[in-house]
Amino acid sequence: RKEVEQDPGPFNVPEGATVAFNCTYSNSASQSFFWYRQDCRKEPKLLMSVYSSGNEDGRFTAQLNRASQYISLLIRDSKLSDSATYLCVVFTSGGSYIPTFGRGTSLIVHP
Amino acid sequence: DVKVTQSSRYLVKRTGEKVFLECVQDMDHENMFWYRQDPGLGLRLIYFSYDVKMKEKGDIPEGYSVSREKKERFSLILESASTNQTSMYLCASGLSWQPQHFGDGTRLSIL
Repeated sequence: RKEVEQDPGPFNVPEGATVAFNCTYSNSASQSFFWYRQDCRKEPKLLMSVYSSGNEDGRFTAQLNRASQYISLLIRDSKLSDSATYLCVVFTSGGSYIPTFGRGTSLIVHP
Repeated sequence: DVKVTQSSRYLVKRTGEKVFLECVQDMDHENMFWYRQDPGLGLRLIYFSYDVKMKEKGDIPEGYSVSREKKERFSLILESASTNQTSMYLCASGLSWQPQHFGDGTRLSIL
């Protein structure tokens, strides 16, 4: 079983919709979590960190559920420009603090 | 503006060649990373370095080596290129273990 799993999608939503993605992780010792965004043929860019208490940045909300071992990303009022692949990253301490990327969830926002 | 620069955007090499991929960052980051990204497999960590002359294996180090002689430069070496190393290679750097900034990527084809 892969350490970090995401539904590849694509999630096809109209402008203005609310959409949520989950990312599950298998190692209960995982400590830090992030969401990255990757546009087509571009490099990944850090979107936001995920804190235990949850955090919000404009239309984006990230949450962590340690009991069920998943993180989520909620996007409200979707824009066309939100179309991208969203990658979750999980850090697990075990000797070296190595980040593991999920395979990404593709979001397509249409007019 | 922060910058991670990869030496080539596109590269074509032949099986058995020794291939060097160069990455330079101008942010004085301690940590640098090399990933490859393949469809359906996502981003996989090849090697990372947390200091000059220090390196750690990632998830898929076989067939690769790295060099970090100076803080700003992290080189990925394919000792004897094989067709299964055809991929998109992404370099990243960060102050912490989190890859904060990625380069544009090098699309490497091995014929």
